[in-house]
Amino acid sequence: GAVVSQHPSRVICKSGTSVKIECRSLDFQATTMFWYRQFPKQSLMLMATSNEGSKATYEQGVEKDKFLINHASLTLSTLTVTSAHPEDSSFYICSVSRGLGNEQFFGPGTRLTVL
Amino acid sequence: KNQVEQSPQSLIILEGKNCTLQCNYTVSPFSNLRWYKQDTGRGPVSLTIMTFSENTKSNGRYTATLDADTKQSSLHITASQLSDSASYICVVSAGDYKLSFGAGTTVTVRA
Repeated sequence: GAVVSQHPSRVICKSGTSVKIECRSLDFQATTMFWYRQFPKQSLMLMATSNEGSKATYEQGVEKDKFLINHASLTLSTLTVTSAHPEDSSFYICSVSRGLGNEQFFGPGTRLTVL
Repeated sequence: KNQVEQSPQSLIILEGKNCTLQCNYTVSPFSNLRWYKQDTGRGPVSLTIMTFSENTKSNGRYTATLDADTKQSSLHITASQLSDSASYICVVSAGDYKLSFGAGTTVTVRA
């Protein structure tokens, strides 16, 4: 498997501010990284897919200007929630893989609370 | 539309008892099916993976079954422990990068 970390594990911010979440692949060359969002008692929902060095591909209904994704290296991807609002409060989980269609390994998640 | 439905939504069992979780899917084409364990506030961790030709796979006290004809899978937990309290998620892959997630079954094991 792969060891995936996320930072921070929890974050509380004020409405209107921006929050950056990091996803790191500690022992794995992650060609592809995925960002998911999970609301309480619901399934993980794919937000976007990113390949190292390329622009992210966003799922329908996910605003690319609000959720900025940067996959600058094979071990790091960041998700920035811009101008956060209370409805953005959720559990954000990243996953890594060696390419589309390969097994995904999930990070521990980041709990975002927007006041 | 690819869908994964799990039942029950939640269950409570006494420590040491067994339980079985169900997963029905309509994902097509089918590549593989995984069961994940997700502890509260943590990311999912894979328990088992099954391909089309596999009927049963075990991982310690966890045993998964797959009936590809009826598109059903089950996860059986034997001799439950308090640490088994978690959400168990059924995830089906169509072979591309998009996974279809069930909503999960929340298992609570009580002493």
